[in-house]
Amino acid sequence: DTGVSQDPRHKITKRGQNVTFRCDPISEHNRLYWYRQTLGQGPEFLTYFQNEAQLEKSRLLSDRFSAERPKGSFSTLEIQRTEQGDSAMYLCASSIAKSLSTGELFFGEGSRLTVL
Amino acid sequence: DAKTTQPTSMDCAEGRAANLPCNHSTISGNEYVYWYRQIHSQGPQYIIHGLKNNETNEMASLIITEDRKSSTLILPHATLRDTAVYYCIHLESGGYQKVTFGTGTKLQVIP
Repeated sequence: DTGVSQDPRHKITKRGQNVTFRCDPISEHNRLYWYRQTLGQGPEFLTYFQNEAQLEKSRLLSDRFSAERPKGSFSTLEIQRTEQGDSAMYLCASSIAKSLSTGELFFGEGSRLTVL
Repeated sequence: DAKTTQPTSMDCAEGRAANLPCNHSTISGNEYVYWYRQIHSQGPQYIIHGLKNNETNEMASLIITEDRKSSTLILPHATLRDTAVYYCIHLESGGYQKVTFGTGTKLQVIP
């Protein structure tokens, strides 16, 4: 499978625990995005990387959230001291910088987080 | 953030054409219209995009009005697998642009 892969697909944790999600983008894609989606809402932008540089972060990304893309390939999203409000689907997407298709993102299946 | 307006939900009979409208009255001259869909429990999937001419691919057709303030996504022969939430977005191409999703249209294809 050459699409975007995310791991784990499902995570159940207790409030106050830390969780980490991993995203492996399509191999030649230099742009990587994280989104969060709650029930009944569209995906909400969290952060964006071009290669290893984190170029934009949403205000939704509180100081408990950190994202990295250390070698410009896979990325991790860590949530520290989880809260019940963090329960959501966390989506990763990747794209390649082309002049006329910059809105074409390829999404993974998502990682569903449930905080008890 | 760029805003679009879409109906909350629509029904379509299986085998018929599904026509999903979108208003994007604030679109600027260099912004493209993009459509995505999200099938339940999956990530969003890119469908099609266009600037001002009508576009067609293997998934759908995109009709953009001459004033570019609205568009229609057409699924010519809807199947049950087309049941999904459909998102309309407008953004510039060239350089980095944040893709911002609204709440979309929930399309239910009925047998």
